[in-house]
Amino acid sequence: TQLLEQSPQFLSIQEGENLTVYCNSSSVFSSLQWYRQEPGEGPVLLVTVVTGGEVKKLKRLTFQFGDARKDSSLHITAAQPGDTGLYLCAVGGNRDDKIIFGKGTRLHILP
Amino acid sequence: DSGVTQTPKHLITATGQRVTLRCSPRSGDLSVYWYQQSLDQGLQFLIQYYNGEERAKGNILERFSAQQFPDLHSELNLSSLELGDSALYFCASSVEARPSNYGYTFGSGTRLTVV
Repeated sequence: TQLLEQSPQFLSIQEGENLTVYCNSSSVFSSLQWYRQEPGEGPVLLVTVVTGGEVKKLKRLTFQFGDARKDSSLHITAAQPGDTGLYLCAVGGNRDDKIIFGKGTRLHILP
Repeated sequence: DSGVTQTPKHLITATGQRVTLRCSPRSGDLSVYWYQQSLDQGLQFLIQYYNGEERAKGNILERFSAQQFPDLHSELNLSSLELGDSALYFCASSVEARPSNYGYTFGSGTRLTVV
């Protein structure tokens, strides 16, 4: 059983459209992170959310942490081809030191 | 450039062989983490070292081992390689021992192909 479920697995949309991807779990977390990974590269941290209900914005990207700290969403406004990549959510282990990743949403923005 | 250096970038080897992957963490980072990424399993945590000591262990096979040296670089040794070991292997580093709000800094990975 995956600790973090990300949906959708794949998303292909036209440039200029809006989209939302999700990260869900049955567990409560003290914080949650979003990473973006481009082909041939390692994941790069985009944001960390720590407070239930928290909303953070990074240019056209809006991240929200659920009130119960079990889920999160990433909304992209006016998607651009440069947004193409694998979006991963991740949480710290509650009892140990590792970070656990979801399987990711593979996003492709068509020009 | 993330500051985390992994070598080699690509590796092709035969089944049954042994390989060593190398990672130099970002300057000032004491923790090194190794992850395996495959299409079906995603990013799977293998092992963590903090300041030379093993700190946490994940789904690492007995055929795999790692160590962190006094200069903080780390090596991941994979032996008796099987076709299923073909994957991307990432190293990440962080300042602290425990996950923090600052997350990890990843290297560019080593793509291992076992033929």
